[in-house]
Amino acid sequence: SQTIHQWPATLVQPVGSPLSLECTVEGTSNPNLYWYRQAAGRGLQLLFYSVGIGQISSEVPQNLSASRPQDRQFILSSKKLLLSDSGFYLCAWSTGQGDEKLFFGSGTQLSVL
Amino acid sequence: TQLLEQSPQFLSIQEGENLTVYCNSSSVFSSLQWYRQEPGEGPVLLVTVVTGGEVKKLKRLTFQFGDARKDSSLHITAAQPGDTGLYLCADITSGTYKYIFGTGTRLKVLA
Repeated sequence: SQTIHQWPATLVQPVGSPLSLECTVEGTSNPNLYWYRQAAGRGLQLLFYSVGIGQISSEVPQNLSASRPQDRQFILSSKKLLLSDSGFYLCAWSTGQGDEKLFFGSGTQLSVL
Repeated sequence: TQLLEQSPQFLSIQEGENLTVYCNSSSVFSSLQWYRQEPGEGPVLLVTVVTGGEVKKLKRLTFQFGDARKDSSLHITAAQPGDTGLYLCADITSGTYKYIFGTGTRLKVLA
């Protein structure tokens, strides 16, 4: 069966520090991968998605970047965090094969202080 | 850019009551999905509806897709505390793999 791992679960970082959040999927090949950000109790904002290794689509101009160095690995990064980068970050995957739905990781709560 | 507006934003009800939440799109849905999210977790898919006028039932949850495929409702009968969570509608943008989510309805069912 397929599983998605996202870590860390919580992170407290000072303003100006770098960020690296990692997401990996097991049990499937060539998944579509996604990064979302969620403000408290609100909807999800799509940040990046990828349909293959090295292919990244950026949805919102911001202080973040994403990379997909391996088929089932998706990384969200920042060189210098801003206060406004605080939020709940969710990684997700889909098969990209029709009958689409998203499978989400358990999220990372990022607090930038 | 497609916008998905959900209402109400918050809803607090007593156990056993019925409720309906709504999702309205600024453009026609390609494929409407409803997800539920519990605190500290990722959303989980409840249902996918594709055809205008379609009605799907999942135990006490009834999902309806508008005839024009621009709106949807989720009705819960005899709500239970286990129904508590954030309900999100979503669409996959036609011709892409991009999922857009609504603004969410936070439901709290009191025992």
